[in-house]
Amino acid sequence: GQQLNQSPQSMFIQEGEDVSMNCTSSSIFNTWLWYKQDPGEGPVLLIALYKAGELTSNGRLTAQFGITRKDSFLNISASIPSDVGIYFCAGLPSGAGSYQLTFGKGTKLSVIP
Amino acid sequence: DSGVTQTPKHLITATGQRVTLRCSPRSGDLSVYWYQQSLDQGLQFLIHYYNGEERAKGNILERFSAQQFPDLHSELNLSSLELGDSALYFCASSAPPGTSSYNEQFFGPGTRLTVL
Repeated sequence: GQQLNQSPQSMFIQEGEDVSMNCTSSSIFNTWLWYKQDPGEGPVLLIALYKAGELTSNGRLTAQFGITRKDSFLNISASIPSDVGIYFCAGLPSGAGSYQLTFGKGTKLSVIP
Repeated sequence: DSGVTQTPKHLITATGQRVTLRCSPRSGDLSVYWYQQSLDQGLQFLIHYYNGEERAKGNILERFSAQQFPDLHSELNLSSLELGDSALYFCASSAPPGTSSYNEQFFGPGTRLTVL
């Protein structure tokens, strides 16, 4: 099946620093989603991307849908302690009626005050 | 709060037993998806139901089954439980096709299953 390679696996950053993480795939996706998950909770949708090259922001978060449709990036600016958690990319492959999300393994973010 | 509800929050049972997990989608959503999250496998898609009908199957074991009822809530049944079935089980829902956000899946808080 399709796999998403998400990197880095973990990050330790100082409060106030910017963060960047990415996902790559060997297959084409027509939708990229970015989620954040806190311990013991369900993933929360942060940003959805639908078009190749699309750049979308949600507050301090910015995500991009790669032009090749095989990658996506998430940037967090001026990190704060509540940004701590695990960030997942997820993709929906091209093809009519395909709604099963493929998830990356996650990037665990730690913010040092 | 995503609007997706799941019960129970925690479930502890023994090997060989059967359990039922319940999910109610967001108001207006017709699709329900089930996912399993374990430490070694990450989030894995199990099954998708749309308006009562099964639409897609992922890595779902034969011991597992699901259904979606006329009121659109869904149940995931896990039988002959094994130690390795211990995991977080999430359901998600999405808006009907044709809406602008129909590809966006919203997750519930999950059920943590522990098999002893």
